[in-house]
Amino acid sequence: QTVVTQESSFSVSPGGTVTLTCGLTSGSVSTSYYPSWYQQTPGQAPRTLIYSTNSRSSGVPDRFSGSILGNKAALTITGAQTDDESDYYCVLYMGSGISMFGGGTKVTVL
Amino acid sequence: EVQLLESGGGLVQPGGSLRLSCAASGFTFSNYGVSWVRQAPGKGLEWVSTIGRDGDTYYTDSVKGRFSISRDKSKNTLYLQLNSLRAEDTAVYSCARRGREGGSPKYYFDFWGQGTLVTVSS
Repeated sequence: QTVVTQESSFSVSPGGTVTLTCGLTSGSVSTSYYPSWYQQTPGQAPRTLIYSTNSRSSGVPDRFSGSILGNKAALTITGAQTDDESDYYCVLYMGSGISMFGGGTKVTVL
Repeated sequence: EVQLLESGGGLVQPGGSLRLSCAASGFTFSNYGVSWVRQAPGKGLEWVSTIGRDGDTYYTDSVKGRFSISRDKSKNTLYLQLNSLRAEDTAVYSCARRGREGGSPKYYFDFWGQGTLVTVSS
């Protein structure tokens, strides 16, 4: 059973840059998986950040960017702000109508 | 403004059933696939099921044969029938719209509801 992998946590300084990754336990992530990224703060609905690898959702600041790095999808936050302290989830489309979430990365800004 | 409003959650005994609803507004419901995503207390997000524009249905393995997704286009409402419920089904269940761009699906979730809590316990 293939699992979508994410780092469990990351810490970044205000103004700093952090790159979160989204991989597979078996195989490489490519644009064919339509990677997407979501931000969630406790008690709130997720907010869509990035879709189709690197397309920014409406209203998302350009300090959030998506890419493929090596064999993984990546979300980079450039110039991190305290408001960016959240959980971040990636989703990969596995085909045949199936989507899979990663386990999420908790980002701390301090 | 796109809105998704879930209802129907509650406390149910193991083995019991529940039907969740998601009322959609602000967009042409029949033009979009819609999904259910759940989040167990203190855990991550998990995709549960999707129904496509054409009515095709898809489920994560752990709910196949127990859950059933459907939609009523005349009422702009999405449903999830939960049967044979287990303690591990306890979660907030949210509906989410599948994003499209240029008429093509992009296999992501672009709008989310706030969710409804399902608690399975005796």
